[in-house]
Amino acid sequence: GQSLEQPSEVTAVEGAIVQINCTYQTSGFYGLSWYQQHDGGAPTFLSYNALDGLEETGRFSSFLSRSDSYGYLLLQELQMKDSASYFCAAPTDKLIFGTGTRLQVFP
Amino acid sequence: EADIYQTPRYLVIGTGKKITLECSQTMGHDKMYWYQQDPGMELHLIHYSYGVNSTEKGDLSSESTVSRIRTEHFPLTLESARPSHTSQYLCASSEGRGGNQPQHFGDGTRLSIL
Repeated sequence: GQSLEQPSEVTAVEGAIVQINCTYQTSGFYGLSWYQQHDGGAPTFLSYNALDGLEETGRFSSFLSRSDSYGYLLLQELQMKDSASYFCAAPTDKLIFGTGTRLQVFP
Repeated sequence: EADIYQTPRYLVIGTGKKITLECSQTMGHDKMYWYQQDPGMELHLIHYSYGVNSTEKGDLSSESTVSRIRTEHFPLTLESARPSHTSQYLCASSEGRGGNQPQHFGDGTRLSIL
C-alpha cells in the first residue's frame, strides 16, 4: 500500500528551529510536497521537492532523500503563527497525504 | 483572495436528508478533488476528477457521489445523510494532469448530521 508517516505532534519555543519528518512508501514516486493547515483553515501549499536535496524558501526549507524514502520540513526562527498542522504529500496519479504533524510553538 | 469556493460553509441537517456540497473554481484547473477530514486528523481523498465527464473514487470509501459537467464546478452529493457523515469536506483543484502541481483548497464545509 501507499503511506506517508509523520510524528503526530512537535513542540518548540519561539525563535527555535524544528524539523518535521516524513517517511513514505508509495508507488510511482515523483516527489514530496508540504502543506500547512491552521486550525479551522484550509491546507496551503508550502514547497515541493522533485529532486534530492534541500530547497529553501525563506524561513522554511524542505529536504528529500529518495534512497532513504525520507523527507523533512525545517522551520527556522519559529513564530507563534507557525503553530499549525503540517502534512507531507506525495503526488502519484492523485495526491497522497501524510498522517500530519501538529506543531505547537510556545512563547 | 480565494479562487476556489465552497458553499455552504457550515451545515447542520437531519438524518435522511439529501445534501449537495458546492465547489467552484475560477482558475480553469483540470483536476479537482474532494477530501474528508475530521478535526486534527489526516485528509482522506474520497473523489477526484481529471476533467469534464471524468470522476473517480478515492482511497476512502464514501457513500457520496460527484459530477463534473463543467470544468469549474464539482459538486458532491449525499443522497441520504447519516450521523457518520459528520465531518469537514474540503474541495481542491490543481492545474493540468501532472502529479506535482500544487493543490489549491477551498475553505471547506463543516457538516453536522443530527
